[in-house]
Amino acid sequence: SAVISQKPSRDICQRGTSLTIQCQVDSQVTMMFWYRQQPGQSLTLIATANQGSEATYESGFVIDKFPISRPNLTFSTLTVSNMSPEDSSIYLCSVEDGQGRVEAFFGQGTRLTVV
Amino acid sequence: AQSVSQHNHHVILSEAASLELGCNYSYGGTVNLFWYVQYPGQHLQLLLKYFSGDPLVKGIKGFEAEFIKSKFSFNLRKPSVQWSDTAEYFCAVSGTYKYIFGTGTRLKVLA
Repeated sequence: SAVISQKPSRDICQRGTSLTIQCQVDSQVTMMFWYRQQPGQSLTLIATANQGSEATYESGFVIDKFPISRPNLTFSTLTVSNMSPEDSSIYLCSVEDGQGRVEAFFGQGTRLTVV
Repeated sequence: AQSVSQHNHHVILSEAASLELGCNYSYGGTVNLFWYVQYPGQHLQLLLKYFSGDPLVKGIKGFEAEFIKSKFSFNLRKPSVQWSDTAEYFCAVSGTYKYIFGTGTRLKVLA
């Protein structure tokens, strides 16, 4: 299993600003994932981040809005740019188990409120 | 299109009642199936998973799920719920690495 730490755990931000969320894993993993959980809804994959390459974004998500860094095998950041109230969500970092079969482990999430 | 449907959005049970949460999926190809639980204020945790083999899967805390391929279903069951099972439950499928989650079921167990 993997232990994932996310920072910050919550934040309240002004619209138009940006927030960078950090995700630290206690072991080296190839693939890291960023999800969004909007109020009352399920989790939606934003992008997949592999070390050494650009992130792959899902339909409806773009790099300019959600830039991602993946500098090494244990760390990633997600930035929510030019925030609006619609970006108020829980953002979760996830990693695969590294054994070929995907069992995802999740961080505790970052609860973002944009005012 | 790939999707996961959870039929019950909110479920309220008394302690010792039996639980069954429905999950149906639409996904081309081989799937991996999961149930995750999110207790109040905590992060998502894996309850159980199915990759292959015995379609009846046993997970933690007395939960089990049955994969019925012909029905594209992976329902979660527990014979006797406890107050501590109050949480939100998510069904998920994955083919390779991408997870698709259902909308979740909020379970409230009354003491």
